[in-house]
Amino acid sequence: NAGVMQNPRHLVRRRGQEARLRCSPMKGHSHVYWYRQLPEEGLKFMVYLQKENIIDESGMPKERFSAEFPKEGPSILRIQQVVRGDSAAYFCASSSDRGQVNEQFFGPGTRLTVL
Amino acid sequence: GENVEQHPSTLSVQEGDSAVIKCTYSDSASNYFPWYKQELGKRPQLIIDIRSNVGEKKDQRIAVTLNKTAKHFSLHITETQPEDSAVYFCAATPPGFQKLVFGTGTRLLVSP
Repeated sequence: NAGVMQNPRHLVRRRGQEARLRCSPMKGHSHVYWYRQLPEEGLKFMVYLQKENIIDESGMPKERFSAEFPKEGPSILRIQQVVRGDSAAYFCASSSDRGQVNEQFFGPGTRLTVL
Repeated sequence: GENVEQHPSTLSVQEGDSAVIKCTYSDSASNYFPWYKQELGKRPQLIIDIRSNVGEKKDQRIAVTLNKTAKHFSLHITETQPEDSAVYFCAATPPGFQKLVFGTGTRLLVSP
């Protein structure tokens, strides 16, 4: 049973470029969450999605950031026109659909470096 | 919104000692409290969790206690081993949301 998958594991972008981060949830999980971890800091919630729906995007910056979880394929976190402050580890987590608040299992993360 | 504070930020113990990490939360209606262990460069791993209808939960050398009145919960690790060295994060889930609000982390160092 494969866990949460993320790719790429490392991503280097120059300022102004776009970054696309992908997340495939655990088998049987339909809820996806994205968190950002700055160096030496804790994890900050960004967005919560179910298939084809954004449920809670209260942690997403208003500009340049977007997320989707299409009917087919992985969830995508997209950062347009990256800046140095976007350098961080971006973790995706998934949980199952059992009606209550459920355990969230994390992927290995994508470490974004903006030059 | 929910706010989670975590103490201490660093904790050094000798192998075999116990370690206790404490977290407080602000929203009395929060109902789910997981703990994650994160080794350097790795993913956060869920090690134990507790829901608001339970006061204590134990899993081998790890236990979590919850005091709803005081709005705090604690992680207890007994008989610590060097492989317990990592950063530990507590989290809380605000009512009506699925997101986790994390504490700032505790760096635990277990010396042989």
